[in-house]
Amino acid sequence: EAGVTQFPSHSVIEKGQTVTLRCDPISGHDNLYWYRRVMGKEIKFLLHFVKESKQDESGMPNNRFLAERTGGTYSTLKVQPAELEDSGVYFCASSQDLVIDEQFFGPGTRLTVL
Amino acid sequence: AQKITQTQPGMFVQEKEAVTLDCTYDTSDQSYGLFWYKQPSSGEMIFLIYQGSYDEQNATEGRYSLNFQKARKSANLVISASQLGDSAMYFCAMSLREEAAGNKLTFGGGTRVLVKP
Repeated sequence: EAGVTQFPSHSVIEKGQTVTLRCDPISGHDNLYWYRRVMGKEIKFLLHFVKESKQDESGMPNNRFLAERTGGTYSTLKVQPAELEDSGVYFCASSQDLVIDEQFFGPGTRLTVL
Repeated sequence: AQKITQTQPGMFVQEKEAVTLDCTYDTSDQSYGLFWYKQPSSGEMIFLIYQGSYDEQNATEGRYSLNFQKARKSANLVISASQLGDSAMYFCAMSLREEAAGNKLTFGGGTRVLVKP
């Protein structure tokens, strides 16, 4: 069974540009989460999808961030326009809709905004 | 709001020895789950162990055990018989219910462990 995958693994963009990150969860996992870790800080929750619906987006920093999960499968996280403080590692995780102990994480996308 | 504190930014451990990674948490909720994840240099986050707030026994998974002291609000990870492959970043995390599915995780700052041969 394939794990959570994320694309790209690295992205370097200039301030003001747009970047779109993609996450493919484990097949059959209804719950999909986005987290990020900026330099020197803790990993922070961004938002949570249940299928295609946003269950909790309390961690989204501002309206420059837009997450979608069309069809309840893969998800995208778009940053537009990117700012310097958006640099960090963006993690995606997924879990089943049953009571289960763990969220399975992807390898992350390292975003650098110059 | 819940908070996780890992006071050890980094530590060395000799191969084959045991190491304890500290984690304290703060929440007013009675029902929560505590997790430890490992992040090797390759970047992925690997689930290690889970403890529910109502579990009376400490969780164990192979060489990993969780020393859960509810009154002290601590959930320390013990790695026994350290191996070179244990060198990684370790994160303590909490969810507000005992089920991680459907609940966001709050993470600590992490502890970097380097196992010396």
